[in-house]
Amino acid sequence: VQLVQSGAEVKKPGASVKVSCKASGYTFSSFDINWVRQTTGQGLEWMGWVNPNSGNTGYAQNFQGRVTITRKTSITTAYMELSSLRSDDTAVYYCARGGVHDDVYVFDYWGQGTPVTVSS
Amino acid sequence: SSELTQDPAVSVALGQTVRITCQGDSLRTYYASWYQQKPGQAPILVISTKNNRPSGIPDRFSGSFSGDTVSLTITGAQAEDEADYYCNSRDTSGNYFVFGGGTKLTVL
Repeated sequence: VQLVQSGAEVKKPGASVKVSCKASGYTFSSFDINWVRQTTGQGLEWMGWVNPNSGNTGYAQNFQGRVTITRKTSITTAYMELSSLRSDDTAVYYCARGGVHDDVYVFDYWGQGTPVTVSS
Repeated sequence: SSELTQDPAVSVALGQTVRITCQGDSLRTYYASWYQQKPGQAPILVISTKNNRPSGIPDRFSGSFSGDTVSLTITGAQAEDEADYYCNSRDTSGNYFVFGGGTKLTVL
């Protein structure tokens, strides 16, 4: 199982960023893809998820209206787009595979992270 | 409530046992999982509160829960266990996921 994310981004305030997560080594449609971010020196923050099979999504309240998570099943890739960027969106963004194991939903594989810098 | 509360920092002597806790209302309803993160690396899953470890995670890591608190116990801590540890579960609505603030473990 591998999740490979796109490279670092530098954006201006007010712009949008779209990060990709290419999955391999398993059946893409069988597990959710979640997005988690981590600001410098801070903790992990869950942003939302997509079910690659149905396309259904769910977003954390902190990001609703600004984040859009999509997938393209033909190339086993998920995307996270964050709009109206602010300086406090500067963070490392991770994708993580999600699924239920023995009744517990876990994030069992993670991408390498994509640094996003928002600066004028 | 959407909060999971962890102690910011915990220390343990090499070879001793340490317990890291995570408290939150949603933990009375939903299971949790624990993630280890070392500097400059992505988090990795270490265990769930049903005590399931992925392959490659040493059996010195164990998970448990009681009421509104879940625990990660490391029995015989090693130098390589020094890391940040995060708990994760659903919030009380069940619709979202939330991480605890993280616990920095120092192995002395």
